[in-house]
Amino acid sequence: QVQLQESGPGLVKPSQTLSLNCTVSGGSISSGSYYWSWIRQPAGKGLEWIGRIYDSGSTYYNPSLKSRVTISVDTSKNQFSLKLSSVTAADTAVYYCATGSGSYRTDYWGQGTLVTVSS
Amino acid sequence: QTVVTQEPSLTVSPGGTVTLTCASSTGAVTSGYYPNWFQQKPGQAPRALIYSTSNKHSWTPARFSGSLLGGKPALTLSGVQPEDEAEYYCLVYYGGAGVFGGGTKLTVL
Repeated sequence: QVQLQESGPGLVKPSQTLSLNCTVSGGSISSGSYYWSWIRQPAGKGLEWIGRIYDSGSTYYNPSLKSRVTISVDTSKNQFSLKLSSVTAADTAVYYCATGSGSYRTDYWGQGTLVTVSS
Repeated sequence: QTVVTQEPSLTVSPGGTVTLTCASSTGAVTSGYYPNWFQQKPGQAPRALIYSTSNKHSWTPARFSGSLLGGKPALTLSGVQPEDEAEYYCLVYYGGAGVFGGGTKLTVL
């Protein structure tokens, strides 16, 4: 079974770039047929879909975040990453990485990591 | 900006049946939007329950079922258990990009 673990700074300054990694264990990130996703959740609020990448490199992003988001895969490290630029306090949230064994499935989730945007 | 709307809260008695739905601002949802359902309990990551409208994961209890009702994705819980008290989210795909519903807080009383 695939397991996911998010990592990265828990505190980011306003206007800077938020960078998170998700390490995949129990499977290869380049095995095919998997999409690798990022989702976030502000405290006390609902889930927000950020985007996803296929191991071929094709990506889909939330239109409201598209201008600031980049999702990429590093097959050598069995990781995928999220970069969110020009952050503000509104980007403070728990960030989850997730994946599924099919184009429209999100079977497995990481435990989530809290990122706070503050000076 | 596409919006997916869920019932903010529902209450059900133990052993009862309840149906949660998602309404899309773009109109009727079909199976081609591949709706998913997730359960989230406080302090935990979401857990996948249903994918592609009605397919269950290996860990999904039999009392959970997914369907389309009147053009809306629906999640039905039959024989509700106290441990089903949680927040439930639908996820609908529009041309490859996903949109979550706002969530339904299900109370078992």
